Amino acid sequence: DTEVTQTPKHLVMGMTNKKSLKCEQHMGHRAMYWYKQKAKKPPELMFVYSYEKLSINESVPSRFSPECPNSSLLNLHLHALQPEDSALYLCASSRGGDRGNNEQFFGPGTRLTVL
Amino acid sequence: AQSVTQLGSHVSVSEGALVLLRCNYSSSVPPYLFWYVQYPNQGLQLLLKYTSAATLVKGINGFEAEFKKSETSFHLTKPSAHMSDAAEYFCAVTEGTYKYIFGTGTRLKVLA
Repeated sequence: DTEVTQTPKHLVMGMTNKKSLKCEQHMGHRAMYWYKQKAKKPPELMFVYSYEKLSINESVPSRFSPECPNSSLLNLHLHALQPEDSALYLCASSRGGDRGNNEQFFGPGTRLTVL
Repeated sequence: AQSVTQLGSHVSVSEGALVLLRCNYSSSVPPYLFWYVQYPNQGLQLLLKYTSAATLVKGINGFEAEFKKSETSFHLTKPSAHMSDAAEYFCAVTEGTYKYIFGTGTRLKVLA
């Protein structure tokens, strides 16, 4: 299985809602990532979990809260979002370890719209 | 710090013509370089990667890229464009173990 899955595919939420994005991989990868991608832009890194520990937090607002329950799952909890948070949210995974040549495998993304 | 420059935010080619997408990098250490493709409303798919094993790297869908250290380039080519190649292409270099530095992307249009 060489796939990263993400649910839901689309999400529309109000600014007072709480919702979660889910990501799953069964490739035995030990690093998982959340990216935010606005239209016509490259993905922007938000968080990296390595061996289930938060390794990188790119100064993301606290209304985004990541969680890594185990090595296969990654969640992104959303609360009190703003309309400018509307974007495609991508999850990725890689083997991990201490070498930078591990390619990242991306999921199909969740299209988030904040009203 | 590493950086990536993709010259040409939009490239148009005729079906059957050569595809050339440019990527130049700046890195203080031997780089690991990647090309990804993104179709509309989808995630990124790895086309190929350079990890210093060979300077000419072959990828999926007939794409290849040549690492040229003297020019700090890693341009992506395909001999004959197909309509299905129309997509956004991103070049990336790694910074540390986990971070990708992405270029701004090149949108490829294939004309019939």
